[in-house]
Amino acid sequence: GAGVSQTPSNKVTEKGKYVELRCDPISGHTALYWYRQSLGQGPEFLIYFQGTGAADDSGLPNDRFFAVRPEGSVSTLKIQRTERGDSAVYLCASSLRGQVTDTQYFGPGTRLTVL
Amino acid sequence: AQSVSQHNHHVILSEAASLELGCNYSYGGTVNLFWYVQYPGQHLQLLLKYFSGDPLVKGIKGFEAEFIKSKFSFNLRKPSVQWSDTAEYFCAVNGGRNNNNDMRFGAGTRLTVKP
Repeated sequence: GAGVSQTPSNKVTEKGKYVELRCDPISGHTALYWYRQSLGQGPEFLIYFQGTGAADDSGLPNDRFFAVRPEGSVSTLKIQRTERGDSAVYLCASSLRGQVTDTQYFGPGTRLTVL
Repeated sequence: AQSVSQHNHHVILSEAASLELGCNYSYGGTVNLFWYVQYPGQHLQLLLKYFSGDPLVKGIKGFEAEFIKSKFSFNLRKPSVQWSDTAEYFCAVNGGRNNNNDMRFGAGTRLTVKP
């Protein structure tokens, strides 16, 4: 079946602009996660949704970052007033029930470059 | 603070050599442990996971990992590597005292297998 998909695959923007990154989870998966991976580092947790609600947003670095999942499926990560330090690969993952023992299935990521 | 450490940044082996990649974590409470792999040009995928039971876990492609609670370790092993094992390997942990679902990753170990 289809895996997690993310669009766009690459996004180049200028400092100060607004960007939206989209994630399409595996059909039927109730939990959705966003991570950020900087060069030479492992993925860093940002936010986790259970259904439509953000169950844990403790990883969002500041109030410029916001994510939604209005219908419990597709999610959008929104970054306002982008900064050069926001450049990274943004990964999305989904899991069936959101339990801590569940396998998280990752998408290919969106590479964000802020000039 | 909760953290995950991977000791080796880059490991270079010849085919048929044995592999052991180190992973240590600092978490209190019950943890769930994962190894993910990222092959060149592909997205993260699960190799194996541990959450209870036999501390020696077998995964895909001949990989195994051993959970040693007293050492806070979850090292990944493979008796004989192949060129196709060239990839980046990430150890990850969730759970802990608050049963957190936010997965924390190590910085990764890049494995290069020479033919």
